[in-house]
Amino acid sequence: EDQVTQSPEALRLQEGESSSLNCSYTVSGLRGLFWYRQDPGKGPEFLFTLYSAGEEKEKERLKATLTKKESFLHITAPKPEDSATYLCAVLLGGGSQGNLIFGKGTKLSVKP
Amino acid sequence: ETGVTQSPTHLIKTRGQQVTLRCSSQSGHNTVSWYQQALGQGPQFIFQYYREEENGRGNFPPRFSGLQFPNYSSELNVNALELDDSALYLCASSLEPGVNTEAFFGQGTRLTVV
Repeated sequence: EDQVTQSPEALRLQEGESSSLNCSYTVSGLRGLFWYRQDPGKGPEFLFTLYSAGEEKEKERLKATLTKKESFLHITAPKPEDSATYLCAVLLGGGSQGNLIFGKGTKLSVKP
Repeated sequence: ETGVTQSPTHLIKTRGQQVTLRCSSQSGHNTVSWYQQALGQGPQFIFQYYREEENGRGNFPPRFSGLQFPNYSSELNVNALELDDSALYLCASSLEPGVNTEAFFGQGTRLTVV
């Protein structure tokens, strides 16, 4: 069964304290891995797409990396405004018509 | 702003009733996907429409149905509402099926079934 698991479920950091979020997946026919940010009561906001092992992408304090079994979202010197739930999703190939399978997310809290 | 709008933002319905949720996609986006997000969970795929035809469906019963219109708007209909249908319903628009490089989500409709 295709599965996406995110860890930890929740993470509390002090402002400036760097850390990483993990997304592990067991799927067949991966076409892409996506990271989204979701603020309470709002829809997910697109951050990154990664397509192949070894690929890395950066945006401000965030950097996403991909291996054959997992992806990491590294947060460098986070600020309180980075507090949100970070969702990982995989796009399957084959006959899936391109639907995304999401993990449950990691809720990040950054304290000043 | 993603250019994807959903209405209404909040809705309260009684068990057994029917509900229609609406989504206006980005102009030019031929694909719309609907997701259900329960509290504390990631979004779950309901179905996808491409050029007004259903193009894939997740593990949801037939009482969940949809429509897509030529003007980039779409609807999610749920019949015979159950308490477990309470969730945030999200629509996402993209250019073509399977090309989700940037699937733009709306802000969601919070449905409460009592």
